[in-house]
Amino acid sequence: EIVLTQSPGTLSLSPGERATLSCRASQSVSSSYLAWYQQKPGQAPRLLIYGASSRATGIPDRFSGSGSGTDFTLTISRLEPEDFAVYYCQQYGSSFFTFGPGTKVDIK
Amino acid sequence: QVQLVESGGGVVQPGRSLRLSCAASGFTFSSYGMHWVRQAPGKGLEWVAVIWYDGSNKYYADSVKGRFTISRDNSKNTLYLQMNSLRAEDTAVYYCARRTYYYGSGKRLGDGMDVWGQGTTVTVSS
Repeated sequence: EIVLTQSPGTLSLSPGERATLSCRASQSVSSSYLAWYQQKPGQAPRLLIYGASSRATGIPDRFSGSGSGTDFTLTISRLEPEDFAVYYCQQYGSSFFTFGPGTKVDIK
Repeated sequence: QVQLVESGGGVVQPGRSLRLSCAASGFTFSSYGMHWVRQAPGKGLEWVAVIWYDGSNKYYADSVKGRFTISRDNSKNTLYLQMNSLRAEDTAVYYCARRTYYYGSGKRLGDGMDVWGQGTTVTVSS
């Protein structure tokens, strides 16, 4: 089973700043099957990125994904007030899906 | 509009059973794979199970294998999760989510859980 590790656990930033979130896999992940989700308190998660770097429908272009193999990154170029949330990476491999533990982006 | 609505959650004693439902609308349910994902109080997301669009393949997280069964009725546009031998650690909000494949330039670019329900709460307690 592939284990995903996310860092940092919490990222404290101000609106307008750049956020860089890391997701590391215990073994190589196909880029096609690495996704990122955003979750706000009391809400269901929302798909942001699929295929490591493609934005889902309706996702603003300030969100971008990159990486391959075992190291993936979600970047938010300029934080808007609505971006403060928890972010999860997720992979699919060998018929199993796993989520990372999440990175909380909160207001500094 | 595209929508998933879960139901069936509640309070149940350890060792008992519960069946969750997820009603789909606004899209061709029979064309999509479906997931169950859960979230324990104050914790992160945990994938539970997936079923192929036609029910031909089903896969489970190790934590629920042998106790939970995912199924679907495409004639009713409904996904199910039969949960047996429930444990305290199964306490969570349970979400159903649609699996969507993405293609570009004639190849598969990836897949993701692009539509989610609002969740239904399961509490396992004596």
